[in-house]
Amino acid sequence: KAGVTQTPRYLIKTRGQQVTLSCSPISGHRSVSWYQQTPGQGLQFLFEYFSETQRNKGNFPGRFSGRQFSNSRSEMNVSTLELGDSALYLCASSLVGGNTIYFGEGSWLTVV
Amino acid sequence: SQQGEEDPQALSIQEGENATMNCSYKTSINNLQWYRQNSGRGLVHLILIRSNEREKHSGRLRVTLDTSKKSSSLLITASRAADTASYFCATDQGVGGNQFYFGTGTSLTVIP
Repeated sequence: KAGVTQTPRYLIKTRGQQVTLSCSPISGHRSVSWYQQTPGQGLQFLFEYFSETQRNKGNFPGRFSGRQFSNSRSEMNVSTLELGDSALYLCASSLVGGNTIYFGEGSWLTVV
Repeated sequence: SQQGEEDPQALSIQEGENATMNCSYKTSINNLQWYRQNSGRGLVHLILIRSNEREKHSGRLRVTLDTSKKSSSLLITASRAADTASYFCATDQGVGGNQFYFGTGTSLTVIP
């Protein structure tokens, strides 16, 4: 079974631009969550989607948004990028009601 | 902070020795999980222990949970160079869905 797939793996953006990251969950997984990992703040929860609805949201500004499609694939968007948004963005998926989340390899975002 | 704390922050041992890392958290939980992360990669799920369990084994891994002290430990026996990675604990802290709070991580180096 294929794992969680994230694209792109690496990207460089300029301050003020926006970025969209994509995540394809493991087949059959309906919950997708997103995390930001930085050296200073560690791993922080962004949001979780289940059946196209946002179920939980972390403490991030409104510039961070996401959505989930009917096939459970998810995207997250960051608008008006700031230097501090440089991070590894990790997507994770899980079964309905499952507590174990499985991570993708992440998308490395550098904002210059 | 809602995150847990891992202790020690860094650990260096010889191949064949045992490695123990600890995790403390702040609120009630339904379960606690341990993940491994190789440098710059996604997180790999190692083991999940539920709040009503005290100890769990998986191969060379042994996890204990003390809910009265809000702490958990991960023991890796007979360590190998391939175990070199960062290890994180994650808790749900009783929040519904798949919103997890990660600790700060322990960086383990196993010297061949």
